[in-house]
Amino acid sequence: GQQVMQIPQYQHVQEGEDFTTYCNSSTTLSNIQWYKQRPGGHPVFLIQLVKSGEVKKQKRLTFQFGEAKKNSSLHITATQTTDVGTYFCAGKTSGTYKYIFGTGTRLKVLA
Amino acid sequence: DGGITQSPKYLFRKEGQNVTLSCEQNLNHDAMYWYRQDPGQGLRLIYYSQIVNDFQKGDIAEGYSVSREKKESFPLTVTSAQKNPTAFYLCASSPTGTLLDTEAFFGQGTRLTVV
Repeated sequence: GQQVMQIPQYQHVQEGEDFTTYCNSSTTLSNIQWYKQRPGGHPVFLIQLVKSGEVKKQKRLTFQFGEAKKNSSLHITATQTTDVGTYFCAGKTSGTYKYIFGTGTRLKVLA
Repeated sequence: DGGITQSPKYLFRKEGQNVTLSCEQNLNHDAMYWYRQDPGQGLRLIYYSQIVNDFQKGDIAEGYSVSREKKESFPLTVTSAQKNPTAFYLCASSPTGTLLDTEAFFGQGTRLTVV
């Protein structure tokens, strides 16, 4: 069945360093979403990507959708302590009703 | 305030007992979902419902049951048939029947511990 893998599983960075998490699907996706879950909290929607090669930015966050629509990445520039949490991608294939969530990347930012 | 509410936040049950987790939303969303989250893993879909009085199995439905008698409510029962019920359970809703062409709104979650 469809699988969505994320790497790395964990990442510790010094405050001010950049961070990237990668999401890879075993099948071609119709769209992909990204969520952030703070420690002890629930996932909160960040963004959705639909088009091949699409790039979207939200302040220090840059999201990319691969040309083949099988991978995606989230890049954070100059991390802050408020960026701490687990970042999930969720991929959907056309004709299905559901998104498959990736395993998540847990980010820790050291002050 | 509009939102999605799960209760209780923490729940303890003895092995062999059924337990029901509550999920209520006042967002007027058609679709509702239950996910299970285990440490080091992503969210796995248990059940979803696109409309009142209808629901579908997700990837890990065995040992769980749901009902959707009202638009705003989607309770999840963890039965004694579920072999590893201890987990963090998340309920979500979305405005359309196809999650995630629109964003999903998640509840605060219920942490179930079976002893």
